[in-house]
Amino acid sequence: GNSVTQMEGPVTLSEEAFLTINCTYTATGYPSLFWYVQYPGEGLQLLLKATKADDKGSNKGFEATYRKETTSFHLEKGSVQVSDSAVYFCALGQGAQKLVFGQGTRLTINP
Amino acid sequence: EPEVTQTPSHQVTQMGQEVILRCVPISNHLYFYWYRQILGQKVEFLVSFYNNEISEKSEIFDDQFSVERPDGSNFTLKIRSTKLEDSAMYFCASSEPNRGYATQYFGPGTRLTVL
Repeated sequence: GNSVTQMEGPVTLSEEAFLTINCTYTATGYPSLFWYVQYPGEGLQLLLKATKADDKGSNKGFEATYRKETTSFHLEKGSVQVSDSAVYFCALGQGAQKLVFGQGTRLTINP
Repeated sequence: EPEVTQTPSHQVTQMGQEVILRCVPISNHLYFYWYRQILGQKVEFLVSFYNNEISEKSEIFDDQFSVERPDGSNFTLKIRSTKLEDSAMYFCASSEPNRGYATQYFGPGTRLTVL
């Protein structure tokens, strides 16, 4: 079945550091890939998405590129802020079927 | 911007009691979902619903669980006899698939605590 693996957390960085959170997937067919963010005490918010190979999703300075050859969808941001502290989930979906989530990566940004 | 809403935000119940969690999906969406997240763990799929019937369910979604769309706006998850291990955050999501892919939008969640 489909699965998503994220890098282990937690991740702690200083403000303005470069961020990478790794995500790899296993799937049959051609899934869509997503990053969701969960701020403390809140629900899941869609951060960005990509629906086919080589697509780049971007939002709020975050980017991720759908790499079919390496089955990856790594999340990056060039300069993180304290307000980016949250839990980040990589997810995979096909059509209207269920989303399959990675285990989540807790990110803490220190001033 | 339209959003998914859920009530209540927090529900505390005694083991063995029935609970109903409520969701109002985005109005023009056609697919509805429930997920849960046990504290500190990953988000797990429970059930999806389309055209007034369940389209997919996970192993977690046993006979104690049921879903319903009682009217044109609400989507509910019922747990008939709650267990301690049902304590979790429950998220509702909805989507309107387009061109073979779908983006699911999530509500803020209901935190269920079973004592």
